[in-house]
Amino acid sequence: QQQVKQSPQSLIVQKGGISIINCAYENTAFDYFPWYQQFPGKGPALLIAIRPDVSEKKEGRFTISFNKSAKQFSLHIMDSQPGDSATYFCAAANSGYSTLTFGKGTMLLVSP
Amino acid sequence: GAGVSQSPRYKVAKRGQDVALRCDPISGHVSLFWYQQALGQGPEFLTYFQNEAQLDKSGLPSDRFFAERPEGSVSTLKIQRTQQEDSAVYLCASSLGGGLGPYEQYFGPGTRLTVT
Repeated sequence: QQQVKQSPQSLIVQKGGISIINCAYENTAFDYFPWYQQFPGKGPALLIAIRPDVSEKKEGRFTISFNKSAKQFSLHIMDSQPGDSATYFCAAANSGYSTLTFGKGTMLLVSP
Repeated sequence: GAGVSQSPRYKVAKRGQDVALRCDPISGHVSLFWYQQALGQGPEFLTYFQNEAQLDKSGLPSDRFFAERPEGSVSTLKIQRTQQEDSAVYLCASSLGGGLGPYEQYFGPGTRLTVT
């Protein structure tokens, strides 16, 4: 049973455009939703995270939108740059049980 | 400060060999996690330590996998009698808090294991 579903699998965006990656979860006990960025040969790096008491969180060019009733959350990358080309993973966890459940990842390519 | 480090970065093992993968977490981090990442997939949880206590090992795929963190800092993931399906990147992450959080997990670069 895949608890966190991520789409699309891959995404090509022109430089300066908006990249949007979506995730849906099933477990209503999840209450922490981070996004990770991974470059080839590197470990995942924490980008931004949200808890369900807010519907949106913005850090620089990265924004998480959260819809608790729909059990969905998304990552928006504004003004996408070629350096943003990487694989992005959404994840989820619940209080008192710290392990992360990851989506399958989205490979983003930002064309110059 | 220094991040999470893992060694070796690459390991090639012949089927049936035993391997040991090391993780040095960020100093002072209470929680330590091991994940397995297959090619083109997201990381999947293997096991979790809070200090030296292994609180969850439900993700270990078989009894050939064993992890320890005897002094609450460095951890070792051991795989006995390796099989081809064990080929993957093994990621270690650490987190400052335990139990109810904080949950920010910081990952190491991983060890790529190839079983031939």
